[in-house]
Amino acid sequence: QSALTQPPSASGSRGQSVTISCTGTSSDVGGYNYVSWYQQHPGKAPKLMIYEVSKRPSGVPDRFSGSKSGNTASLTVSGLQTEDEADYYCSSYAGSNNLVFGGGTKLTVL
Amino acid sequence: QVQLVQSGAEVKKPGASVKVSCKASGYTFTTYNLHWARQAPGQGLEWMGVINPSGGSTSYAQKFQGRVTMTRDTSTSTVYMELSSLRSGDTAVYYCAREDLVFGFNIWGQGTMVTVSS
Repeated sequence: QSALTQPPSASGSRGQSVTISCTGTSSDVGGYNYVSWYQQHPGKAPKLMIYEVSKRPSGVPDRFSGSKSGNTASLTVSGLQTEDEADYYCSSYAGSNNLVFGGGTKLTVL
Repeated sequence: QVQLVQSGAEVKKPGASVKVSCKASGYTFTTYNLHWARQAPGQGLEWMGVINPSGGSTSYAQKFQGRVTMTRDTSTSTVYMELSSLRSGDTAVYYCAREDLVFGFNIWGQGTMVTVSS
Protein backbone atom coordinates (compact mmCIF):
# COMPACT_ATOMS: atom_id res chain seq x y z
CA GLN A 1 0.00 0.00 0.00
CA SER A 2 1.62 3.28 -1.11
CA ALA A 3 1.36 6.46 0.90
CA LEU A 4 -1.10 9.07 -0.29
CA THR A 5 0.51 11.99 -2.11
CA GLN A 6 0.55 15.41 -0.46
CA PRO A 7 2.57 18.50 -1.39
CA PRO A 8 5.57 18.81 0.97
CA SER A 9 4.75 22.41 1.78
CA ALA A 10 2.04 25.05 1.58
CA SER A 11 1.84 28.62 2.76
CA GLY A 12 -0.49 31.54 3.11
CA SER A 13 -0.70 34.89 4.82
CA ARG A 14 -2.67 35.48 7.98
CA GLY A 15 -6.34 35.81 7.14
CA GLN A 16 -6.03 34.15 3.75
CA SER A 17 -7.11 30.65 2.73
CA VAL A 18 -4.96 27.71 1.76
CA THR A 19 -5.88 24.31 0.33
CA ILE A 20 -3.84 21.13 0.78
CA SER A 21 -4.40 18.21 -1.57
CA CYS A 22 -4.19 14.48 -0.89
CA THR A 23 -4.11 12.20 -3.92
CA GLY A 24 -4.63 8.48 -3.81
CA THR A 25 -6.24 5.86 -6.02
CA SER A 26 -9.62 4.29 -6.58
CA SER A 27 -8.60 1.69 -3.98
CA ASP A 28 -8.40 4.21 -1.17
CA VAL A 29 -9.40 7.90 -1.45
CA GLY A 30 -11.58 7.38 -4.50
CA GLY A 31 -13.22 4.22 -3.24
CA TYR A 32 -14.39 5.26 0.21
CA ASN A 33 -15.66 8.36 2.00
CA TYR A 34 -13.33 7.72 4.91
CA VAL A 35 -10.73 10.42 4.51
CA SER A 36 -9.43 12.08 7.66
CA TRP A 37 -7.11 15.02 8.23
CA TYR A 38 -4.75 15.53 11.16
CA GLN A 39 -2.84 18.54 12.44
CA GLN A 40 0.47 17.95 14.19
CA HIS A 41 2.56 20.53 15.99
CA PRO A 42 6.24 19.75 16.65
CA GLY A 43 6.72 17.20 19.39
CA LYS A 44 3.00 16.63 19.80
CA ALA A 45 0.61 13.84 18.91
CA PRO A 46 -1.61 14.39 15.87
CA LYS A 47 -5.01 16.01 16.32
CA LEU A 48 -8.05 15.01 14.28
CA MET A 49 -9.42 17.94 12.27
CA ILE A 50 -11.67 16.30 9.66
CA TYR A 51 -13.18 12.83 9.34
CA GLU A 52 -15.37 11.14 6.74
CA VAL A 53 -14.12 13.64 4.13
CA SER A 54 -15.86 16.74 5.46
CA LYS A 55 -17.06 16.28 9.04
CA ARG A 56 -15.51 18.21 11.91
CA PRO A 57 -15.10 16.76 15.39
CA SER A 58 -16.44 18.81 18.25
CA GLY A 59 -14.16 21.72 19.05
CA VAL A 60 -12.52 22.08 15.63
CA PRO A 61 -13.09 25.57 14.21
CA ASP A 62 -15.27 25.84 11.12
CA ARG A 63 -12.32 27.52 9.40
CA PHE A 64 -11.26 23.94 8.61
CA SER A 65 -13.17 22.19 5.85
CA GLY A 66 -12.70 19.07 3.77
CA SER A 67 -13.84 17.85 0.39
CA LYS A 68 -13.16 15.14 -2.17
CA SER A 69 -13.29 14.80 -5.93
CA GLY A 70 -12.41 11.48 -7.50
CA ASN A 71 -9.13 10.21 -6.10
CA THR A 72 -8.14 13.56 -4.54
CA ALA A 73 -9.20 14.90 -1.17
CA SER A 74 -8.59 18.45 -0.02
CA LEU A 75 -8.30 20.32 3.25
CA THR A 76 -9.02 24.04 3.19
CA VAL A 77 -8.03 26.33 6.02
CA SER A 78 -9.73 29.71 5.83
CA GLY A 79 -8.82 32.83 7.76
CA LEU A 80 -5.34 31.53 8.48
CA GLN A 81 -4.09 32.11 11.98
CA THR A 82 -0.61 31.84 13.41
CA GLU A 83 -1.54 28.74 15.38
CA ASP A 84 -2.50 26.92 12.18
CA GLU A 85 1.17 26.60 11.32
CA ALA A 86 1.80 22.86 11.63
CA ASP A 87 2.17 19.64 9.69
CA TYR A 88 -1.01 18.22 8.18
CA TYR A 89 -1.60 14.59 7.28
CA CYS A 90 -4.43 12.96 5.40
CA SER A 91 -5.44 9.35 5.83
CA SER A 92 -7.82 7.07 3.99
CA TYR A 93 -9.40 3.71 4.50
CA ALA A 94 -7.93 1.36 1.89
CA GLY A 95 -10.16 -1.67 2.19
CA SER A 96 -9.71 -4.98 4.02
CA ASN A 97 -9.31 -3.17 7.34
CA ASN A 98 -6.28 -1.24 6.09
CA LEU A 99 -5.47 2.43 6.43
CA VAL A 100 -2.94 4.61 4.65
CA PHE A 101 -1.53 8.03 5.54
CA GLY A 102 -0.28 10.79 3.30
CA GLY A 103 3.32 11.95 3.40
CA GLY A 104 2.41 15.18 5.18
CA THR A 105 2.35 18.87 4.32
CA LYS A 106 4.13 21.57 6.27
CA LEU A 107 1.87 24.63 6.44
CA THR A 108 3.59 27.96 6.96
CA VAL A 109 1.63 31.06 7.94
CA LEU A 110 3.39 34.12 6.57
CA GLN B 1 -11.00 11.90 31.43
CA VAL B 2 -10.48 9.71 28.38
CA GLN B 3 -6.82 9.03 27.81
CA LEU B 4 -4.30 6.61 26.41
CA VAL B 5 -1.04 6.37 28.34
CA GLN B 6 1.91 4.63 26.70
CA SER B 7 5.00 3.05 28.17
CA GLY B 8 8.32 4.82 28.25
CA ALA B 9 11.14 5.17 25.77
CA GLU B 10 13.13 2.10 24.73
CA VAL B 11 16.60 1.54 23.30
CA LYS B 12 17.12 -1.76 21.53
CA LYS B 13 19.86 -3.44 19.55
CA PRO B 14 19.33 -4.59 15.97
CA GLY B 15 17.64 -7.97 15.83
CA ALA B 16 15.91 -7.54 19.19
CA SER B 17 12.19 -7.10 19.87
CA VAL B 18 10.31 -4.29 21.57
CA LYS B 19 6.91 -4.36 23.27
CA VAL B 20 5.09 -1.06 23.76
CA SER B 21 2.01 -0.77 25.95
CA CYS B 22 -0.97 1.56 25.73
CA LYS B 23 -3.26 1.77 28.77
CA ALA B 24 -6.76 3.10 28.24
CA SER B 25 -8.81 4.88 30.88
CA GLY B 26 -11.96 6.93 31.17
CA TYR B 27 -14.12 4.79 28.89
CA THR B 28 -15.21 1.21 28.30
CA PHE B 29 -12.10 -0.44 26.92
CA THR B 30 -13.88 -2.90 24.64
CA THR B 31 -15.97 -0.28 22.83
CA TYR B 32 -13.42 1.12 20.37
CA ASN B 33 -10.75 -0.30 18.08
CA LEU B 34 -7.21 0.76 18.89
CA HIS B 35 -4.66 1.42 16.15
CA TRP B 36 -0.90 1.74 16.10
CA ALA B 37 1.06 4.15 13.92
CA ARG B 38 4.67 5.24 13.91
CA GLN B 39 6.65 8.30 12.87
CA ALA B 40 10.35 8.14 12.10
CA PRO B 41 12.37 11.26 12.94
CA GLY B 42 11.44 14.05 10.55
CA GLN B 43 9.14 11.75 8.59
CA GLY B 44 5.42 11.22 8.17
CA LEU B 45 2.95 8.97 9.89
CA GLU B 46 2.82 5.28 8.99
CA TRP B 47 -0.11 3.04 9.91
CA MET B 48 0.89 -0.30 11.41
CA GLY B 49 -2.32 -2.06 12.30
CA VAL B 50 -5.42 -2.30 14.45
CA ILE B 51 -6.74 -4.45 17.27
CA ASN B 52 -10.32 -4.96 18.40
CA PRO B 53 -10.08 -4.99 22.20
CA SER B 54 -13.35 -6.86 22.52
CA GLY B 55 -12.50 -10.04 20.63
CA GLY B 56 -8.79 -9.50 20.13
CA SER B 57 -8.93 -9.69 16.32
CA THR B 58 -6.18 -7.86 14.50
CA SER B 59 -5.31 -6.51 11.07
CA TYR B 60 -1.77 -5.54 10.16
CA ALA B 61 -0.30 -3.43 7.39
CA GLN B 62 1.31 -5.66 4.80
CA LYS B 63 4.70 -4.07 5.45
CA PHE B 64 4.71 -5.35 9.03
CA GLN B 65 3.11 -8.76 8.52
CA GLY B 66 5.20 -11.39 10.27
CA ARG B 67 7.06 -8.86 12.42
CA VAL B 68 4.30 -7.19 14.44
CA THR B 69 1.95 -8.64 17.02
CA MET B 70 -0.83 -6.68 18.71
CA THR B 71 -2.47 -8.07 21.83
CA ARG B 72 -4.73 -6.85 24.58
CA ASP B 73 -5.37 -7.47 28.25
CA THR B 74 -8.95 -6.63 29.12
CA SER B 75 -8.27 -6.97 32.86
CA THR B 76 -5.96 -3.95 32.74
CA SER B 77 -7.48 -2.15 29.71
CA THR B 78 -4.13 -2.31 27.98
CA VAL B 79 -3.11 -3.06 24.42
CA TYR B 80 0.39 -4.06 23.39
CA MET B 81 2.36 -3.76 20.17
CA GLU B 82 5.39 -5.99 19.78
CA LEU B 83 7.77 -5.50 16.86
CA SER B 84 10.48 -8.08 16.26
CA SER B 85 13.70 -8.29 14.22
CA LEU B 86 14.33 -4.61 14.81
CA ARG B 87 16.56 -2.63 12.47
CA SER B 88 17.72 0.96 12.42
CA GLY B 89 14.83 1.93 10.17
CA ASP B 90 12.43 1.05 12.97
CA THR B 91 13.69 3.99 15.03
CA ALA B 92 10.55 6.07 15.49
CA VAL B 93 7.91 7.40 17.82
CA TYR B 94 5.17 4.79 18.13
CA TYR B 95 1.61 5.97 18.83
CA CYS B 96 -1.58 4.20 19.82
CA ALA B 97 -4.84 5.88 18.83
CA ARG B 98 -8.52 5.25 19.45
CA GLU B 99 -10.84 4.93 16.49
CA ASP B 100 -13.93 6.63 17.83
CA LEU B 101 -15.05 8.04 14.50
CA VAL B 102 -15.08 5.87 11.40
CA PHE B 103 -11.37 5.49 10.68
CA GLY B 104 -10.81 8.76 12.48
CA PHE B 105 -8.59 8.85 15.55
CA ASN B 106 -9.75 11.40 18.09
CA ILE B 107 -7.70 10.18 21.06
CA TRP B 108 -3.96 9.54 20.84
CA GLY B 109 -1.37 8.28 23.26
CA GLN B 110 1.58 10.52 24.04
CA GLY B 111 3.92 8.44 21.89
CA THR B 112 6.80 6.12 22.76
CA MET B 113 10.25 6.68 21.31
CA VAL B 114 11.95 3.48 20.22
CA THR B 115 15.59 3.77 19.25
CA VAL B 116 17.35 0.90 17.48
CA SER B 117 21.10 1.22 17.69
CA SER B 118 24.08 -1.04 18.08
